[in-house]
Amino acid sequence: GAVVSQHPSWVICKSGTSVKIECRSLDFQATTMFWYRQFPKQSLMLMATSNEGSKATYEQGVEKDKFLINHASLTLSTLTVTSAHPEDSSFYICSARDKPSTDTQYFGPGTRLTVL
Amino acid sequence: RKEVEQDPGPFNVPEGATVAFNCTYSNSASQSFFWYRQDCRKEPKLLMSVYSSGNEDGRFTAQLNRASQYISLLIRDSKLSDSATYLCVVGAPPGRRALTFGSGTRLQVQP
Repeated sequence: GAVVSQHPSWVICKSGTSVKIECRSLDFQATTMFWYRQFPKQSLMLMATSNEGSKATYEQGVEKDKFLINHASLTLSTLTVTSAHPEDSSFYICSARDKPSTDTQYFGPGTRLTVL
Repeated sequence: RKEVEQDPGPFNVPEGATVAFNCTYSNSASQSFFWYRQDCRKEPKLLMSVYSSGNEDGRFTAQLNRASQYISLLIRDSKLSDSATYLCVVGAPPGRRALTFGSGTRLQVQP
């Protein structure tokens, strides 16, 4: 149980285009989903916390107008990288929490974004 | 100062060796602690939660020292398949924010 999927697993796009990444909890309902970014040889950095039906909470330094997050249902959250630039190239990972009373998170397989 | 600090390694050990990793955290209000494993270009996978009383799962033993704010992971009888990056992860008080990840300790088990 507690499987999280992400789509696409990798994407290559041109600078200036927008890319949407989907995160789904397959066998549980996730009231909270998290979006992380990981640059090579660095740790996962939290970008935003997404609660179903409400606006996402962004971490300091993360532009909410550039990284649009939508959490319209208990099983789906999307991250849209708008007007992508080469410096946005990274490994984007989502996670979901199945119980609000626990910190245990289940991670999606990640999306590798390369912006040319 | 980083919220969660780990020695990046790499730790190169022979098969069968016992290896230990330590991690320190800065937020004394942290209430949950985990070790995750991350393979190259893959997502992190939960290895084990860490409790004050210490806990063991097969060849893996985790310890938490709240007074000193450090967490340890001991791996006995290392296998080649244990080669990975081990992430120390700390959760703040519930409802405050998500998990904070250390930058990871890389382990390479050699035949």
